[in-house]
Amino acid sequence: GENVEQHPSTLSVQEGDSAVIKCTYSDSASNYFPWYKQELGKRPQLIIDIRSNVGEKKDQRIAVTLNKTAKHFSLHITETQPEDSAVYFCAASYGTGNQFYFGTGTSLTVIP
Amino acid sequence: GAVVSQHPSWVICKSGTSVKIECRSLDFQATTMFWYRQFPKQSLMLMATSNEGSKATYEQGVEKDKFLINHASLTLSTLTVTSAHPEDSSFYICGSQRASGKYEQYFGPGTRLTVT
Repeated sequence: GENVEQHPSTLSVQEGDSAVIKCTYSDSASNYFPWYKQELGKRPQLIIDIRSNVGEKKDQRIAVTLNKTAKHFSLHITETQPEDSAVYFCAASYGTGNQFYFGTGTSLTVIP
Repeated sequence: GAVVSQHPSWVICKSGTSVKIECRSLDFQATTMFWYRQFPKQSLMLMATSNEGSKATYEQGVEKDKFLINHASLTLSTLTVTSAHPEDSSFYICGSQRASGKYEQYFGPGTRLTVT
């Protein structure tokens, strides 16, 4: 099965700085890579995703990059704000109707 | 759009009893629903994948006779924890994937189960 690794487990940045979280996956058949943000006591919320036919996707301050050859993808948050503080999870999936496998999570703290 | 509800939000039960958790997609049809466990400060561990009208596919190490999953309609899936034990205490979250072939998964708010 798929194995998703995520680094770092914790990350502290100053407000306004950038944050980068990296994930690797093992199964080359995976073709969908979402990122979720989970605040304490709440459900994971989809913040951005990318499919394997695209190398980069951006949505305002958030971007995701994918390197299929190396089997890794990254989340980039620019101009971080205190409300970005949360746990972020990456995931890999084979797509519609198939399993999602999650990384171990990154606890991001943005220091005002 | 893409609202998923879960009921109950929390439940306390005694060892040996069974508990049913419902997951509903409120404004879309979900071909596939997923059930996860999440321990404090840990990731989501996939328990099973459920496609409407089919038997659920369980992940290795998850007892299918203990965690009964039913996905009888495109808007409802249920997880029943049978003969609950204290080690089953956890946060259970469901996820729903649209029937329209979209890849995105949307999560319910979770159910906190405590077995005494």
